[in-house]
Amino acid sequence: SAVISQKPSRDICQRGTSLTIQCQVDSQVTMMFWYRQQPGQSLTLIATANQGSEATYESGFVIDKFPISRPNLTFSTLTVSNMSPEDSSIYLCSVGGFPYEQYFGPGTRLTVT
Amino acid sequence: QQQVKQSPQSLIVQKGGISIINCAYENTAFDYFPWYQQFPGKGPALLIAIRPDVSEKKEGRFTISFNKSAKQFSLHIMDSQPGDSATYFCAAGTAGTASKLTFGTGTRLQVTL
Repeated sequence: SAVISQKPSRDICQRGTSLTIQCQVDSQVTMMFWYRQQPGQSLTLIATANQGSEATYESGFVIDKFPISRPNLTFSTLTVSNMSPEDSSIYLCSVGGFPYEQYFGPGTRLTVT
Repeated sequence: QQQVKQSPQSLIVQKGGISIINCAYENTAFDYFPWYQQFPGKGPALLIAIRPDVSEKKEGRFTISFNKSAKQFSLHIMDSQPGDSATYFCAAGTAGTASKLTFGTGTRLQVTL
């Protein structure tokens, strides 16, 4: 399985600001995904990040709020824009393996005050 | 996203006992069913997964049972150990949609001495 790192591991941010979360993989992968996990809750897919094309967002998530970049096959960023306390969550990136497996990074714990 | 229903929400099992977690899905297009284990402060780790062409898959102390007609699958942890205490998530995906996963609500397992 791929080794996935995320930066930062945690952050405390003020409302109205933005935070960019980085996801780095130790090997080239086609599919990368971003999930949100609210405290004590399950995982919800935000978007699929495809290299060389626009990210595909799930219902309820929009590009203006969660812009994603995927400049190459080992890296992606998720920005949480104009944050509110409701954005306090763990943000997880994952990568698609072969043939169907999906592996997760350690997560970024975001608190918005 | 299509729902995946998971039960129970929490589970307490004595050391050496069998832990059983159940999931049910709605979308008959799902063809990949993984289980993830998550420890506090960590990202979910892929534990075991099954495709619908088999009814059971076993890896060590972990077994998935799959009932295609009932659209249900379950995780059995044999000889449960305190180190198994974690939150377990079932998920379902459709390989044709690039491994996009829908997660269950999670089961917090506590294995007591």
